[in-house]
Parts: sequence; C-alpha cells; structure tokens
Amino acid sequence: EAQVTQNPRYLITVTGKKLTVTCSQNMNHEYMSWYRQDPGLGLRQIYYSMNVEVTDKGDVPEGYKVSRKEKRNFPLILESPSPNQTSLYFCASSPGGLAGPEQYFGPGTRLTVT
Amino acid sequence: AQKITQTQPGMFVQEKEAVTLDCTYDTSDPSYGLFWYKQPSSGEMIFLIYQGSYDQQNATEGRYSLNFQKARKSANLVISASQLGDSAMYFCAMREGGKLIFGQGTELSVKP
Repeated sequence: EAQVTQNPRYLITVTGKKLTVTCSQNMNHEYMSWYRQDPGLGLRQIYYSMNVEVTDKGDVPEGYKVSRKEKRNFPLILESPSPNQTSLYFCASSPGGLAGPEQYFGPGTRLTVT
Repeated sequence: AQKITQTQPGMFVQEKEAVTLDCTYDTSDPSYGLFWYKQPSSGEMIFLIYQGSYDQQNATEGRYSLNFQKARKSANLVISASQLGDSAMYFCAMREGGKLIFGQGTELSVKP
C-alpha cells in the first residue's frame, strides 16, 4: 500500500531534550516536505527536499533540522525543543521534484513540549 | 504580505446546495500551482483538486471544481450538491518553486 508513515504519532517531551520525528515513504517519490499546523495559521512549511541530499528551507525553519540521505526517509530533528514548537506536524511526499497534485500526507505527529 | 488568503474562517451550507470557498493568492512567478485540500475532524489531509498556472481550463474533480481567475489571482473552490461528509476544514495552497504555501483555512459546516 502506498503510504507515508510518521513516528511517533504522539510525543510529549521537555524543553531542551533532542528528538527526531521520522518520516518514510514507499513510493519512490523525489519530493518530501515537513509542515507544522497551528490553530488559525493553517499549515506552514518547515523544510522541503527535491531529492536525495537536496534540502531547502520553507517558511518556518528556525529550530529544526532535516536530512535526506536516502530517498525514502526524511527525518525532522529538533535539537533543543521549546514550548513554541508544540504543534501538529505533517510529512508529505510527491513524485517529481516539486510538490505536485499527487502529494501524499502522513497521518501527523502531535508534539507537546513542556 | 500573505501569499495565500482565505477570507472566510467559517461557512455554513445547506445539504444538497452548492458552496464556494474563496482563495486569493499573490505571486510574481509565472509558473505556479494551486491546490485545495480537505481536513476532516480526524486530521488527515486529503487532496481535492489542482490547477496549474498555464492550464487553460478550470480543473474539475467530481463534485469539486476550481474557479480559476488568473487576472484576479483567485482560485475559488466550488463544491456542488453538498453532503454532510463535506463538513471539514478546507485549505487552499500555492506551489511556488519548491515551496508550498497554505492559507489559514475555511471551516465548512453542512447542515441537514
């Protein structure tokens, strides 16, 4: 089954404790992206990747890191999480090097930083 | 400045009626794409419809159509024959280069 998986789905952590949210897709898609969703603000893009070893900043990259060492995986790293990073996070992928109509979203990761 | 604007935070529509959700965008890039997504209360993001900036015809997908007015920079979503299952949050988004920029969303409630 074609899908984007994220782990964990729910995470409660404390300020400053490094964490990684994994994202994996099984569709051989070139494009992958991370978004955060906050009430009243819609989704905002954090980072995106047009292919392996190619990553670029979205609109809200501060406090986040990503890497794209292989096509299927695009982990999101919070080196020192802060309460303002409490949010719902989505990973997505699509074929081709751009966000296309066939953009598949993962189920979301709800992160709480206390 | 907002690149994607959805001016209707919430809307109501009677079941079986048509509804239009507004979206305006701002870009100087001649090549861009416009998307609509639905997010039900369960939280998943569901792709509805896509319009490329060079597409001559308005996109349609079943009960969904995109009213693309390039000169006015608007990309309104029209849902015909609303169903109770259409109650959800709807997001307009624009692809500009590698980025995807979302609007704030419109919450649609369909009344029986």
